[in-house]
Amino acid sequence: QVQLQESGPGLVKPSETLSLTCAVSGYSITSGYFWGWVRQPPGMRLEWIGSIYHSGNTYYNPSLKSRVTISRDTSKNQFSLKVNYVTAADTAMYYCVRDNGNWEIDLWGQGALVTVSS
Amino acid sequence: DVVMTQSPLSLPVTLGQPASISCRSSQSLVKSDGNTYLNWFQQRPGQSPRRLIYKVSNRDSGVPDRFSGSGSGTDFTLKISRVEAEDVGVYYCMQGSHGPGTFGQGTKVEIK
Repeated sequence: QVQLQESGPGLVKPSETLSLTCAVSGYSITSGYFWGWVRQPPGMRLEWIGSIYHSGNTYYNPSLKSRVTISRDTSKNQFSLKVNYVTAADTAMYYCVRDNGNWEIDLWGQGALVTVSS
Repeated sequence: DVVMTQSPLSLPVTLGQPASISCRSSQSLVKSDGNTYLNWFQQRPGQSPRRLIYKVSNRDSGVPDRFSGSGSGTDFTLKISRVEAEDVGVYYCMQGSHGPGTFGQGTKVEIK
């Protein structure tokens, strides 16, 4: 059974960098699929942040591209999200997801709540 | 980006009665490969979203057959034939035909 689990600080100061990691169990992230991040600010709709393909190629939502980096550690079978220069607008529940192409998400992590506040 | 608009945003339903959620896209979701990448997700209280339907009308494994999806082009519908207590939650449509994927606002289903 494939599982995704997010981890990282729940509180980040404005202008600093938000960092989250998604540990994948039950499937190698180099074998296939896109591995991505989706967030949901309080009271707002879900938003696609970006993905990393099993080959290592990345795709970012143009609205966030200048501040976002998605990378992977194949030795640990995990992938990570960094969002630079955060503001209160980046406060959200962050989910790591598996996408089998065309943004068809078939697996979600449990989610990690990140609050941006001084 | 493609804008997805759901209605209603709140849906009180009597147990055992049907329910229907509409989702409209700002442009056709027919992709160049001929497929329509329209998904439906269910998010129960306190849980992560779970996919119910992909490519408009295909149910995911383990999804009860009381859930069905239909539609084409820009208009799509999720139907629950007989609502059960476990169906309470928020339902989202999401398109993947035009990058980046975008979600609807969500429809909250509750029991009257």
